[in-house]
Amino acid sequence: EDKVVQSPLSLVVHEGDTVTLNCSYEVTNFRSLLWYKQEKKAPTFLFMLTSSGIEKKSGRLSSILDKKELFSILNITATQTGDSAVYLCAVENRDDKIIFGKGTRLHILP
Amino acid sequence: GAVVSQHPSRVICKSGTSVKIECRSLDFQATTMFWYRQFPKQSLMLMATSNEGSKATYEQGVEKDKFLINHASLTLSTLTVTSAHPEDSSFYICSAHQGWDEKLFFGSGTQLSVL
Repeated sequence: EDKVVQSPLSLVVHEGDTVTLNCSYEVTNFRSLLWYKQEKKAPTFLFMLTSSGIEKKSGRLSSILDKKELFSILNITATQTGDSAVYLCAVENRDDKIIFGKGTRLHILP
Repeated sequence: GAVVSQHPSRVICKSGTSVKIECRSLDFQATTMFWYRQFPKQSLMLMATSNEGSKATYEQGVEKDKFLINHASLTLSTLTVTSAHPEDSSFYICSAHQGWDEKLFFGSGTQLSVL
């Protein structure tokens, strides 16, 4: 059965800290892995990863995929209170299915 | 943990026909479900909020007569794309939350292709 597992489920850190969010998956016919930031009802797209070892970066956020070990990490450096959100990892397969993890709830303390 | 089931996962239809997509919460009651449309490498675009027992709330720019939403029970919401056209071809996803928690649980999506 296809599944996406995120860890930790919840994380509380102080502003300025660096955090690493984990996503492991078991999916047949993998196509891509996606990261989203969910603050309200509609998650905001962050990254799409298809190849191993190539880091994607956007400001203080970065992500990398390991297709051999079947996981991805999302790093956030110099965290700010505005980074508080639920971060979702999802995997698309070649059958046009998308499987979401349960998310990591990140809370940044001022 | 909370599971949301969405069917069908893929549908191909002719232009002018209507397509119904189901979204079910399998182990919890969802008074509110959300319907999204996703384009490749983009954020999920919220189309509407489906409320059990009442009319759905549509986002600006989404035609309510085109995308009919019915939330007849606490575990089922349906989205019907009426008189589908090729420009309606997209990936549609639903989500639900348990009410006491803002965390969303997502269906696996429906790839709609209109010929």
